[in-house]
Amino acid sequence: AQSVTQPDIHITVSEGASLELRCNYSYGATPYLFWYVQSPGQGLQLLLKYFSGDTLVQGIKGFEAEFKRSQSSFNLRKPSVHWSDAAEYFCAVGGYAGNMLTFGGGTRLMVKP
Amino acid sequence: EPEVTQTPSHQVTQMGQEVILHCVPISNHLYFYWYRQILGQKVEFLVSFYNNEISEKSEIFDDQFSVERPDGSNFTLKIRSTKLEDSAMYFCASRPTRTDTQYFGPGTRLTVL
Repeated sequence: AQSVTQPDIHITVSEGASLELRCNYSYGATPYLFWYVQSPGQGLQLLLKYFSGDTLVQGIKGFEAEFKRSQSSFNLRKPSVHWSDAAEYFCAVGGYAGNMLTFGGGTRLMVKP
Repeated sequence: EPEVTQTPSHQVTQMGQEVILHCVPISNHLYFYWYRQILGQKVEFLVSFYNNEISEKSEIFDDQFSVERPDGSNFTLKIRSTKLEDSAMYFCASRPTRTDTQYFGPGTRLTVL
C-alpha cells in the first residue's frame, strides 16, 4: 500500500531564511510525487510535481523539490522564505494508474518577521 | 485559467439528513475525484470516477455515499444520511488524462449538527 510521511508537523522559520520540508513515501512502483499548498480556508494548490526525468523539479513561487529514489524522499525547498509562504504543505504520491493520491499529514509553516 | 469550482462553500445540516455537494470540473477533464479532510487530519481519498462509473473507492466510501455526473458538466457527491463524523472539508478534483495532475477545487465545508 502506498503511504506518505511528513515528519515535521510544524516548522517556524524567519523571513528570508531557507526552508526544507521533508517527505518520505512508500510506493511499490515508480511514483508520481506532488507538493500541494493550502492556505487557511483555501483549497489545495499544486506547487510542483515529479513524474520522470530530471530529479530536481522547479515549481511555482520559487519552490523546488528533489526526488531521491534511494532515500524514498521528495523534499521541498525554498532558498528564501517570504511571509506569504505561511501555509500548510502537503506531499502526495500517486501512480501511473492515475487514480488516487495518498497525502501525507501535512507540515504547517509559520514565518517569523 | 480554468478552475474546478465547488458549491456551496459551507453546508450545515442536521444528522440524518441527506446532502449533495456540487462540483464543476474543468471542462476537458475526464477523471473526477472526491477527497475529504477532517479538521486537523490528512486529506483522504474517497472515490474516483471515469467514463460514468466508479473506478476506485476507499473504505470510507460506504453505501451512504454516492456520486453522479448528471449532465456532463456537474459531478456530485451525495451523503444519504449524514453522521456527525461526516463533518469535514470535501474536495473535488479533476484531471485530463490518467497521467496528469489532479486539480483541486476550493472545497465545501460540511458541518453536521
